[in-house]
Amino acid sequence: EDQVTQSPEALRLQEGESSSLNCSYTVSGLRGLFWYRQDPGKGPEFLFTLYSAGEEKEKERLKATLTKKESFLHITAPKPEDSATYLCAVQDIASGTYKYIFGTGTRLKVLA
Amino acid sequence: GAGVSQSPSNKVTEKGKDVELRCDPISGHTALYWYRQSLGQGLEFLIYFQGNSAPDKSGLPSDRFSAERTGGSVSTLTIQRTQQEDSAVYLCASSQMTGTYEQYFGPGTRLTVT
Repeated sequence: EDQVTQSPEALRLQEGESSSLNCSYTVSGLRGLFWYRQDPGKGPEFLFTLYSAGEEKEKERLKATLTKKESFLHITAPKPEDSATYLCAVQDIASGTYKYIFGTGTRLKVLA
Repeated sequence: GAGVSQSPSNKVTEKGKDVELRCDPISGHTALYWYRQSLGQGLEFLIYFQGNSAPDKSGLPSDRFSAERTGGSVSTLTIQRTQQEDSAVYLCASSQMTGTYEQYFGPGTRLTVT
């Protein structure tokens, strides 16, 4: 069964304190792994899509990496505006469908 | 341009009543997804539509839940005989097509069943 597990559940960082969020996944065949950011009271906002092990993508202070079992979202020198819940999702090519399986997210709080 | 819109933004209903939630996707997007997000939980897939193909209903939790998409645009999620456990935020997303295209989410409808 497809599964996505994110850790930690919550993370508090000081401004400028770099860290990483983890997304472990189990699928028969990965079509894509997706990162989204969700602010309170809003819908998720797309960040990255990763397709194969070894791939990396960057956007401002965020960098996403992918292995065959997990993905990391690295946050370099975070700012308070990076505070949000970060969601990871996968699509399993073997499922024959295009549904997304989401993890429960990591709630990030960056303190000034 | 306009993003995905959902209405109502909040809905309070009594147990046993039926509710309809509406989603207006981005114009031209052929794929439309519905999700449910309970407090502190991730997004639970409910159903997706892709063009004129039969929808994937595999995530609907019971036969009280149904959805339709008229004219390949607006979608309505209907919950019949609502139960307290149906209380959640219902999110809609659209994308150019199914596959690994970026999903654009609406702001959600917060449903409270009393």
